[in-house]
Amino acid sequence: AQTVTQSQPEMSVQEAETVTLSCTYDTSESDYYLFWYKQPPSRQMILVIRQEAYKQQNATENRFSVNFQKAAKSFSLKISDSQLGDAAMYFCAYRERTSGSRLTFGEGTQLTVNP
Amino acid sequence: KAGVTQTPRYLIKTRGQQVTLSCSPISGHRSVSWYQQTPGQGLQFLFEYFSETQRNKGNFPGRFSGRQFSNSRSEMNVSTLELGDSALYLCASSSTGDRSNEQFFGPGTRLTVL
Repeated sequence: AQTVTQSQPEMSVQEAETVTLSCTYDTSESDYYLFWYKQPPSRQMILVIRQEAYKQQNATENRFSVNFQKAAKSFSLKISDSQLGDAAMYFCAYRERTSGSRLTFGEGTQLTVNP
Repeated sequence: KAGVTQTPRYLIKTRGQQVTLSCSPISGHRSVSWYQQTPGQGLQFLFEYFSETQRNKGNFPGRFSGRQFSNSRSEMNVSTLELGDSALYLCASSSTGDRSNEQFFGPGTRLTVL
């Protein structure tokens, strides 16, 4: 079974600085998707960034970028120029290409942004 | 375009009762997935429906069931409620259920079992 591990239950960063959240996963599949979702106190899950395993280029969305290391099964999220609105729980998630829409989530990392 | 809606937003039930939660996907979306979120177990996949058929099922007891209607709206039902069923229940929809499409989440239904 696929598993997703986030080893940092909590992280903090100063406003305007950069922070990196870690995620590792275990799978025997070669074709899959990886995601980072953000869940603010409102509990609304919001997709931050997505990576397709067959693409070697790391995904980037404005201030958010990933470091995807397929061989190491590592998928970290870098947030640059952190803003107060980035404070939230961040979840790493995995999805196989052939499993429909089923997502496997990590435990989450609570990010605090200090002014 | 309206987002995913879930009703009710909050629900309080007692042990032994049953409950039905509803999810209306984004217009045109045919896949609906359900997740349970608890502090102890995190986010766990319950099941996915696509075109009125259950396509995927997680490791939950038979007390948890669901269905999808022809308009893609989905309901999940939990019978014989237990204290451990207290959780935030999230549903997510995607346009074709295809592997490449983003899932959009609803705001969740907070279920409390007393």
